[in-house]
Amino acid sequence: AQKVTQAQTEISVVEKEDVTLDCVYETRDTTYYLFWYKQPPSGELVFLIRRNSFDEQNEISGRYSWNFQKSTSSFNFTITASQVVDSAVYFCALSDTLGSSNTGKLIFGQGTTLQVKP
Amino acid sequence: DSGVTQTPKHLITATGQRVTLRCSPRSGDLSVYWYQQSLDQGLQFLIQYYNGEERAKGNILERFSAQQFPDLHSELNLSSLELGDSALYFCASSGGRLAGIDEQFFGPGTRLTVL
Repeated sequence: AQKVTQAQTEISVVEKEDVTLDCVYETRDTTYYLFWYKQPPSGELVFLIRRNSFDEQNEISGRYSWNFQKSTSSFNFTITASQVVDSAVYFCALSDTLGSSNTGKLIFGQGTTLQVKP
Repeated sequence: DSGVTQTPKHLITATGQRVTLRCSPRSGDLSVYWYQQSLDQGLQFLIQYYNGEERAKGNILERFSAQQFPDLHSELNLSSLELGDSALYFCASSGGRLAGIDEQFFGPGTRLTVL
């Protein structure tokens, strides 16, 4: 069965520190997609990134970077020079598949609550 | 703003009652997904519709049902409500024919409280 594990329940850092959120996934599929979403205190889920299983290049977007490693089934998320506005719950998710066609269903990890203190 | 709208934002009702949650996807998106977020279960997929047809089903209770209308908006119906149904219900939409490839954009959610 497909599964996403975010072992870190809560992380607290001081502003300007770098922080890495871990995500480990399980799937038997060769084609799959991984996602990160941010849920700020206001409650909405904000899309951050999508990565397919054939693209292992790391991605950087401003202070955000993602490290995808198929060998360890991990898709970790790093925030550089964290800011108070980064405080939120971060979810890693894996797309489910139905045979050879992705259904689009997302399997979410339990989330990591990040608190950035001033 | 993701472009996905959900109404109502908050809903308070009593056990045994029936409620309807409404979702309008982003313009042009054909797929609509419903998720439930609760403290004990986390974010759980309920059901997906693609262009009016049910495409995938998750751990959706028999008391819950959904549909997607010709104008692509979707409704989630929850009946015989129990205290444990209290949760945040999200709708998400994505565009393409290859639904698993597209990112899903989430609405603001409907917070349901069952008393």
